[in-house]
Amino acid sequence: EPEVTQTPSHQVTQMGQEVILRCVPISNHLYFYWYRQILGQKVEFLVSFYNNEISEKSEIFDDQFSVERPDGSNFTLKIRSTKLEDSAMYFCASSEDRGDTQYFGPGTRLTVL
Amino acid sequence: KQEVTQIPAALSVPEGENLVLNCSFTDSAIYNLQWFRQDPGKGLTSLLLIQSSQREQTSGRLNASLDKSSGRSTLYIAASQPGDSATYLCAVREYGNKLVFGAGTILRVKS
Repeated sequence: EPEVTQTPSHQVTQMGQEVILRCVPISNHLYFYWYRQILGQKVEFLVSFYNNEISEKSEIFDDQFSVERPDGSNFTLKIRSTKLEDSAMYFCASSEDRGDTQYFGPGTRLTVL
Repeated sequence: KQEVTQIPAALSVPEGENLVLNCSFTDSAIYNLQWFRQDPGKGLTSLLLIQSSQREQTSGRLNASLDKSSGRSTLYIAASQPGDSATYLCAVREYGNKLVFGAGTILRVKS
């Protein structure tokens, strides 16, 4: 069964460093998403992406964040200058169409020291 | 602003029991509702999706209902098994792209 994959599974970085989290959505899906879950808190929406542009973003998704689909298979989330409070599990998701089931990847645990 | 609440926060039941997990949301203008399962330290597994025009969806031992006008959904698990132990998350999708999640119900099924 097709699934969303994410790399790395765990990323440790120093405050102020740039990180790129990578995702490979399900191949025939057109809508892509990033969510995050701070330890012990709810899963929160960050951004959705369709047709090579951001379709919606939350107030969390400020200028420090960016997303890109650099080729036909990868979808990346970049955090330019990481803060301690960026430490969280980051989930990528994809859906075939706008109203369809969103399928989530296993997540990347980001630890900012 | 949409708020999603899940009750109870935690539930412990003996194997074989039927159980109900509850989800409520404050704004009934939703597009659909999705139930997920999350195992410790892992990703989210989609269980059921209910469109706003539907009343319920079934998959195996799982049945989810939706009462959009009252802002409620329930997830019914029949004949629970130890392998059902996980956190169950409810998420609503408004007329945009994002899912708004509840905090989850931590389920433990004892053998």
